[in-house]
Amino acid sequence: GQQLNQSPQSMFIQEGEDVSMNCTSSSIFNTWLWYKQDPGEGPVLLIALYKAGELTSNGRLTAQFGITRKDSFLNISASIPSDVGIYFCAGHRTTDSWGKLQFGAGTQVVVTP
Amino acid sequence: KAGVTQTPRYLIKTRGQQVTLSCSPISGHRSVSWYQQTPGQGLQFLFEYFSETQRNKGNFPGRFSGRQFSNSRSEMNVSTLELGDSALYLCASSLEGQWLYNEQFFGPGTRLTVL
Repeated sequence: GQQLNQSPQSMFIQEGEDVSMNCTSSSIFNTWLWYKQDPGEGPVLLIALYKAGELTSNGRLTAQFGITRKDSFLNISASIPSDVGIYFCAGHRTTDSWGKLQFGAGTQVVVTP
Repeated sequence: KAGVTQTPRYLIKTRGQQVTLSCSPISGHRSVSWYQQTPGQGLQFLFEYFSETQRNKGNFPGRFSGRQFSNSRSEMNVSTLELGDSALYLCASSLEGQWLYNEQFFGPGTRLTVL
């Protein structure tokens, strides 16, 4: 099962509201990645974080790499209908081979007009 | 640059059959990983290949196997299919290097249904 605890599991928000989700783990990660997945498609990379404390933005998305290296959060500001989907956090540990990621269970975001 | 491609996109098989899925990574990417995605277990790591060598394997039975070719294309095989193997199988590729960032890019997946 997942080794990353992602919350909340789902969010129902109104268009224009901000969204926050986070991921925590008992392990230390050297990379945090945030993905969005639409139904029937593969995950699309939104933001990548490589340094503890790093804060990175991509348009209306902002993500941070926690200082302890055991957590990360993602914010979506001023949500729009196309933000609907499932958001996953993924982490890479130094002790794992390059291509192995651990995933959270996902946060389903529903945006109502 | 073309993204990660996976074929076929959809597959229906019956129990006991075997199946082979294909993944073509982004040009220049030599690291290819496979994941299984189900509603109950989420995204689970299957295995990773680099330069035609399996570098890591997840906690899946021996019925799940894979390989990588010299052009970095990869295939995974599932033998003696079980109902529980129904899932979306995702392939991801990345560039690897000491001074590179670890960014994994996913394909659209192959939806396997076992009847």
